[in-house]
Amino acid sequence: SQKIEQNSEALNIQEGKTATLTCNYTNYSPAYLQWYRQDPGRGPVFLLLIRENEKEKRKERLKVTFDTTLKQSLFHITASQPADSATYLCALDLLGPRSGGYNKLIFGAGTRLAVHP
Amino acid sequence: NAGVTQTPKFRVLKTGQSMTLLCAQDMNHEYMYWYRQDPGMGLRLIHYSVGEGTTAKGEVPDGYNVSRLKKQNFLLGLESAAPSQTSVYFCASSYSGGLTEAFFGQGTRLTVV
Repeated sequence: SQKIEQNSEALNIQEGKTATLTCNYTNYSPAYLQWYRQDPGRGPVFLLLIRENEKEKRKERLKVTFDTTLKQSLFHITASQPADSATYLCALDLLGPRSGGYNKLIFGAGTRLAVHP
Repeated sequence: NAGVTQTPKFRVLKTGQSMTLLCAQDMNHEYMYWYRQDPGMGLRLIHYSVGEGTTAKGEVPDGYNVSRLKKQNFLLGLESAAPSQTSVYFCASSYSGGLTEAFFGQGTRLTVV
């Protein structure tokens, strides 16, 4: 079965450093991969989307890479700030248009990031 | 714009009771989803819809039913609530499935006692 793995342990880093979060998946070849941020008691908020033919995507201090050979995506936050503390979720597009099926979005369990002053 | 609105925000049910959670979106999105989120489990897809009048099963559909009679509304029903359905439920919508960003509601915290 398809599986999405994110580090279950919280990532603690010092303010100003680069945070790197990992998303690994198995038994699937998604055409699209997305990253979301979730704060306690709130719904997830979209951050970035990357397509399978894109190696890297940037938005301000955020960078996402997508390696379809390794079946892995890395999510980087440069010059991290305490306000970046949250849980970050990766999501895959499952059963995409090439298979003739419906698109649906499947999430990993998320990694909690804590940025300390 | 309201975006995605879920009703109610909190609910306590007794085992065996039924209820319906309502999700409404005002962005004219085709896709709508219902997820549940439990500690350590992340978001798990219950059911989803790719357009008015269509629904499909997700990863954990048992014990739930859905309906999409109007494009802007997606209803999640629990026919006979069980304690295992205690969770936070999120609704989301998107223009085109995994190809575009999803917008989430604020969540419904359901407790079944």
